[in-house]
Amino acid sequence: AQSVTQLDSHVSVSEGTPVLLRCNYSSSYSPSLFWYVQHPNKGLQLLLKYTSAATLVKGINGFEAEFKKSETSFHLTKPSAHMSDAAEYFCVVSDQSGNTGKLIFGQGTTLQVKP
Amino acid sequence: SQTIHQWPATLVQPVGSPLSLECTVEGTSNPNLYWYRQAAGRGLQLLFYSVGIGQISSEVPQNLSASRPQDRQFILSSKKLLLSDSGFYLCAWSGGAGHEQFFGPGTRLTVL
Repeated sequence: AQSVTQLDSHVSVSEGTPVLLRCNYSSSYSPSLFWYVQHPNKGLQLLLKYTSAATLVKGINGFEAEFKKSETSFHLTKPSAHMSDAAEYFCVVSDQSGNTGKLIFGQGTTLQVKP
Repeated sequence: SQTIHQWPATLVQPVGSPLSLECTVEGTSNPNLYWYRQAAGRGLQLLFYSVGIGQISSEVPQNLSASRPQDRQFILSSKKLLLSDSGFYLCAWSGGAGHEQFFGPGTRLTVL
């Protein structure tokens, strides 16, 4: 069975400093992994996805994530935080048992960006 | 390009009243469709998914039901709302297993 664990429920950074949001996954299959962002009262927006191509995945808004099979991790990073990055971030793994296309969500990490 | 619509954006309903939330997708055919609920400060809970017209799978027992009368239309319903039905409801679509899901803007439901 697949699962995903976001290691921090809340991360606070200063504007202009690096962002690191940590995610570990568990999967019996070669996983498809995603990061989504959700601003207050909005739907989820896909930041990036890993589907067994390059292990370093670049996404929108300067975010990137590195798939590390040996560490079963898929951490999200950004070199310099912007105030507009303040939001909820979800690490997600695709449930590959069957053809349902279901996703398994982490509990989320709230990113606070201080001026 | 594909787009996904949800309405209404916000809804305030009394306990015991019926509910109907609608989701439509444009620009794709035979999508997988999903309904999620997000309680305040919580993660996403998958409520229903559908891999085709008339095919509905329920993830959790509850006061809600779902229907898919057309290929790109997904409806969430209740005959009698409970206070615990309050939350943020999100519809999503995907191209199938292993693919990302694309989310609608959501409906904020408050049951009083």
